[in-house]
Amino acid sequence: QQQVKQSPQSLIVQKGGISIINCAYENTAFDYFPWYQQFPGKGPALLIAIRPDVSEKKEGRFTISFNKSAKQFSLHIMDSQPGDSATYFCAASTGNQFYFGTGTSLTVIP
Amino acid sequence: KAGVTQTPRYLIKTRGQQVTLSCSPISGHRSVSWYQQTPGQGLQFLFEYFSETQRNKGNFPGRFSGRQFSNSRSEMNVSTLELGDSALYLCASSPDTRSYNEQFFGPGTRLTVL
Repeated sequence: QQQVKQSPQSLIVQKGGISIINCAYENTAFDYFPWYQQFPGKGPALLIAIRPDVSEKKEGRFTISFNKSAKQFSLHIMDSQPGDSATYFCAASTGNQFYFGTGTSLTVIP
Repeated sequence: KAGVTQTPRYLIKTRGQQVTLSCSPISGHRSVSWYQQTPGQGLQFLFEYFSETQRNKGNFPGRFSGRQFSNSRSEMNVSTLELGDSALYLCASSPDTRSYNEQFFGPGTRLTVL
């Protein structure tokens, strides 16, 4: 059973556009929600993370929106750039056990 | 600080063989987790070690095992390899298991089973 459901599986965005990736979870015990970015041949790298006590967190062009009642959270990439082309994973954790979404392959077209 | 290192980076084995993968965490990190990454399945949690003890385990068969040494370095072993074990195996280290943890991933070991 997939603990964290991620969509879409793939996404194509024009340079300068907004990329939006969504995740949903069921377990209300999750208390940490990170997003990871992975380039080919590399391990995932932490991009941005949020705790459930806030509804939004912004770091540069990256924003997490968190809806606790709906048990959903999303990643928004503003002014998307070709260098953002990568696979993005959402995750949810309780303690030190992490559950990952299945990933979204983002392609930003110049 | 050096990042998480994994060796070897690539492995080719045949069915029935066994394999051992190694992970050196970031200095000072005591928790090491292992994941299997396959296309379409994302990252599947294998197990987590802290202070040489397995603290969490995912839903993988007993052919998958691991251990952690006193210096926090960790190894995972897969016995009786199957074709479906072909995957990228990722190791992640965290500083502490009793707080909100950020996981730092290594580059992975690409295992191909023929």
